[in-house]
Amino acid sequence: QQQVKQSPQSLIVQKGGISIINCAYENTAFDYFPWYQQFPGKGPALLIAIRPDVSEKKEGRFTISFNKSAKQFSLHIMDSQPGDSATYFCAATQRGGADGLTFGKGTHLIIQP
Amino acid sequence: NAGVTQTPKFRILKIGQSMTLQCTQDMNHNYMYWYRQDPGMGLKLIYYSVGAGITDKGEVPNGYNVSRSTTEDFPLRLELAAPSQTSVYFCASSYSQGAEQYFGPGTRLTVT
Repeated sequence: QQQVKQSPQSLIVQKGGISIINCAYENTAFDYFPWYQQFPGKGPALLIAIRPDVSEKKEGRFTISFNKSAKQFSLHIMDSQPGDSATYFCAATQRGGADGLTFGKGTHLIIQP
Repeated sequence: NAGVTQTPKFRILKIGQSMTLQCTQDMNHNYMYWYRQDPGMGLKLIYYSVGAGITDKGEVPNGYNVSRSTTEDFPLRLELAAPSQTSVYFCASSYSQGAEQYFGPGTRLTVT
């Protein structure tokens, strides 16, 4: 059972454009939603995370939008750069639990120069 | 700080062989995790530990075993390797549940 659905599977954006990746979750107990960035041959690294008490969080060019009622959250990358080309994973977990992160299947993002 | 280290980086096993994937963290984190990553499938949790001596199964534990004798080390054991275990394995650690997880560089395992 896939509890976090991520789309699109792949995305091509022109340099300077906005990249948008969407995720939807099913488990209403989830209360921590991180995004991880992974470059080829490397482990995932935390990019930005949000908790459900806010609807938006911004760090530099990266913004998470969160819609609790729709059980959806999204990553926006403003002014996308070729160095942003990577695979992005959304994830979710329950802070009170102990059983790790539930990941989406990933989005392969390519920023064309 | 080295963070999370994993050995080996690459390994080829024959069907039925056994091996241990090593994971060590130097951040004094209580929580440690093993994930496997298959193409187009994201990462799936194999086992996790909330402290030395305490381990529990994740989503895909079959064919694997773990132990946690110290805070620093969390080895993953494959007893009878099968082609379905061909994957990239990542170890991660965190200070607490819901905190940032730090991932190691991964071990790419091929079973033929």
